[in-house]
Amino acid sequence: EIEMTQSPATLSVSPGERVTLSCRASQSVSTHLAWYQQKPGQAPRLIIYGASSRATGIPSRFSGSGSGIEFTLTISSLQSEDFAVYYCQQYNNWPPITFGQGTPLEIK
Amino acid sequence: EVQLVESGGGLAQPGGSLRLSCAASGFTFSSYSMHWVRQAPGKGLEWVSYISDSGSTIYYADSVKGRFTISRDTDKNSLYLQMNSLRAEDTAVYYCARKYSGYDYFGYWGQGTLVTVSS
Repeated sequence: EIEMTQSPATLSVSPGERVTLSCRASQSVSTHLAWYQQKPGQAPRLIIYGASSRATGIPSRFSGSGSGIEFTLTISSLQSEDFAVYYCQQYNNWPPITFGQGTPLEIK
Repeated sequence: EVQLVESGGGLAQPGGSLRLSCAASGFTFSSYSMHWVRQAPGKGLEWVSYISDSGSTIYYADSVKGRFTISRDTDKNSLYLQMNSLRAEDTAVYYCARKYSGYDYFGYWGQGTLVTVSS
């Protein structure tokens, strides 16, 4: 099973700031890595797939990078609607499909 | 528009059973594999089960293997999860999910249905 580890555990930031979230896989997942955004009471929303491709309707302030075991999600200028929990997910070697534990993005 | 609508959640006793359903619309259901993903209260996402488009390939997480059964009915455009021998740790919101395209990442999710296992 591939373990996904996200950092930091939580992040407090101000609107307008640039933010980088990290995700590390316990073994290579190539670029088979997705990022999701989840707000309270809602289902997760796909943000990034293939490590760097934005899903339909996702603003350009969201970008993903990385390959192998190290990945990042960057939000170039935080908007109020971006405060949420972010999860990474690997789909390179499964079952099982595995998710990171999530990074909550909180308003400072 | 792709829509996934789960139902069947509720309160079950430890050792009991529940059957979840997911009604799919807005796409050709028979052409897509489907997944169940769950989220315990205040916790992260956990993949539960997978069924291929034909139903011939099925996978389960170790945590539910031997207790849960995934199935699908193409005529009814529906996905199911039969949950037996329920445990307190199965308490979660259960989502059905469909791949976005190509590989198995989830572009489409239902709203979720809450399963609570408690005496």
